[in-house]
Amino acid sequence: QAVVTQEPSLTVSPGGTVTLTCGSSTGAVTSDHYPYWFQQKPGQAPRALIYDTSNKHSWTPARFSGSLLGGKAALTLSGAQPEDEAEYFCLLSNGGPRVFGGGTKVTVL
Amino acid sequence: EVQFVESGGGLIQPGGSLRLSCAVSGFIVTSSHMNWVRQAPGKGLEWVSVIYNNGDTYYADSVKGRFTISRDTSKNTVYLQMNSLRAEDTAVYYCVRDTGGYLGQGTLVTVSS
Repeated sequence: QAVVTQEPSLTVSPGGTVTLTCGSSTGAVTSDHYPYWFQQKPGQAPRALIYDTSNKHSWTPARFSGSLLGGKAALTLSGAQPEDEAEYFCLLSNGGPRVFGGGTKVTVL
Repeated sequence: EVQFVESGGGLIQPGGSLRLSCAVSGFIVTSSHMNWVRQAPGKGLEWVSVIYNNGDTYYADSVKGRFTISRDTSKNTVYLQMNSLRAEDTAVYYCVRDTGGYLGQGTLVTVSS
C-alpha cells in the first residue's frame, strides 16, 4: 500500500499563515484521491476539517482551506489562532484502501 | 444529524476475538462507504478497513485475513469482527463515513494477557 508523507512538525506565529502538505509514494495526489484533513487536539477524538480536497464542514473555521499544490494535497491555515495548535492528519483514497499520513504537529508560537 | 455510537471494545487476551459495532443515525449505512480507523496510544491514525455502498470490502495489510467488516441494514449498523488479536491491535477504534469524514467517539480495544 502507498506511503503518505506529511511534515512532522510546523510552527506558525499567531496571525500567520502555514501550509501543510500530503504526498503519496505512488505519484501526484489528485482529486481522485479524495484528500481529507483531520484535526486532533490532545485528549480529543479527531474531526474532519476538509473532505474531497477542499470541501469544508459547517464547523470548519474559514481560515482553513484545502487544495492541490505541486502534486500534493495541501491544507493552508491563514491567520493562525492559538486554538489551532493541534495535530493534523491527511487521508488519501487509493481506489479501495485508504492511507493516513503520519500527521503534522502544528505549534502556534 | 449524523451520529455514530461505537461499542464492543474491551480487554481481550492475545489470540482472542472481539466484534465492534457502529450504530449509525442520520443516514442509511448503504448510502455511503463506511470505514474503521484506529489509533494506538500515543500514535497517529491508521486506516483499517472500508465497506463500500456496493458491499465491496478492503483491508489494511496489517489486519488482512484477521479482521472482517460487515453491515446489517436492518439495524443500520457497521461491524468489525476482529480475530487472532495481537498486542499491536491495541487502539481506539473509530468508525468513519467516507462522505464528509464524520466519525464517532471511538471504542478502546486493549489486547493484553
